[in-house]
Amino acid sequence: GAVVSQHPSRVICKSGTSVKIECRSLDFQATTMFWYRQFPKQSLMLMATSNEGSKATYEQGVEKDKFLINHASLTLSTLTVTSAHPEDSSFYICSARGGGVGTDTQYFGPGTRLTVL
Amino acid sequence: AQSVTQPDIHITVSEGASLELRCNYSYGATPYLFWYVQSPGQGLQLLLKYFSGDTLVQGIKGFEAEFKRSQSSFNLRKPSVHWSDAAEYFCAVGGYQKVTFGTGTKLQVIP
Repeated sequence: GAVVSQHPSRVICKSGTSVKIECRSLDFQATTMFWYRQFPKQSLMLMATSNEGSKATYEQGVEKDKFLINHASLTLSTLTVTSAHPEDSSFYICSARGGGVGTDTQYFGPGTRLTVL
Repeated sequence: AQSVTQPDIHITVSEGASLELRCNYSYGATPYLFWYVQSPGQGLQLLLKYFSGDTLVQGIKGFEAEFKRSQSSFNLRKPSVHWSDAAEYFCAVGGYQKVTFGTGTKLQVIP
């Protein structure tokens, strides 16, 4: 149980284009989803937290107009990197957490490697 | 503010030897503590977690961790390491909303 998928697993795009990454909870309802960014050989940095049906809460320093997050259903959240530039190249990981008591664990997707040329 | 320190960036152990990965945290209340493992190019897999109760927590793949409030530590242990355990290990602390990760410890296993 508690499986989270991400699509695509790897994407290469040209500078200036937009890229959408999907995060799905496959066997549970995710009331909250998180988006992280991981630079090479570094830890995960939380970008934003999204609750189903609400606007995402962005961490300090994360541009909300550049990293658009949508959490339209209890099983799907999307991260759109708009007008991507080479410095946006990174490993993006989502996690999902169900609601209610005893569901305080975040389950992670396999990640998406974004390369912007 | 919550924070996690993993003092060892890189650890090398021989296969079959015991392992301990250190984790110290800072948190204002009773913390939720986690250990995750990440293989190269992969997402994170939960090894174990502590919310309350018994301070010695058993996880998957033969790992265990002990919560020591007096030392603000949550060290990960395994009595006998296998070559497949080579990966990066992240300790994390948090409450219901935000989880903060340590910088990770890369484990290398030599034959």
